[in-house]
Amino acid sequence: DAGVIQSPRHEVTEMGQEVTLRCKPISGHNSLFWYRQTMMRGLELLIYFNNNVPIDDSGMPEDRFSAKMPNASFSTLKIQPSEPRDSAVYFCASNHLHRDYAYNEQFFGPGTRLTVL
Amino acid sequence: KQEVTQIPAALSVPEGENLVLNCSFTDSAIYNLQWFRQDPGKGLTSLLLIQSSQREQTSGRLNASLDKSSGRSTLYIAASQPGDSATYLCAVSHGQNFVFGPGTRLSVLP
Repeated sequence: DAGVIQSPRHEVTEMGQEVTLRCKPISGHNSLFWYRQTMMRGLELLIYFNNNVPIDDSGMPEDRFSAKMPNASFSTLKIQPSEPRDSAVYFCASNHLHRDYAYNEQFFGPGTRLTVL
Repeated sequence: KQEVTQIPAALSVPEGENLVLNCSFTDSAIYNLQWFRQDPGKGLTSLLLIQSSQREQTSGRLNASLDKSSGRSTLYIAASQPGDSATYLCAVSHGQNFVFGPGTRLSVLP
């Protein structure tokens, strides 16, 4: 199994530019999560999808952030326009949603390190 | 609102020591607790998942316990090795909403 795949691994951009991060979940998983990790705030959930449908986007910091999941094997997180305070590591995770939540185990991708100058 | 804390924030031990990492959470209405390992510049690797009805889980030299009523979990690492050096995070689940602790940075000295 290839695991969760994220691209790019590193992204350096200038303030005001659009940034698109990509994620391919583990095959067969039906839930996908986007997280942001910073030294100050730790790991924060931004949004998650069940069966390609956004369920909870309350963690998305502002309207500059948007996420889509057009099919079961692909998701994007877009920041437009980007700002220096968006610099962080962005992780994608996936799991197989069980009826009994006790069985839900998350698997993470390697992350995208974003630097906005 | 669920809050997850981990003590200590950092720990340095000589190789071969047994050690315990702690995780505390304020809301005991959780479905499970998961321990992860994160190496510098890498993603999170799942180590152990304890369901809310379970008391402990074991994998090799790792043993995790859960006391849901008191809001505590411990990760026990036996006979530590330099390769165990990493940051260890715990996460509690409320359905599909996972709340993470800040992590404990472990250094095992040869």
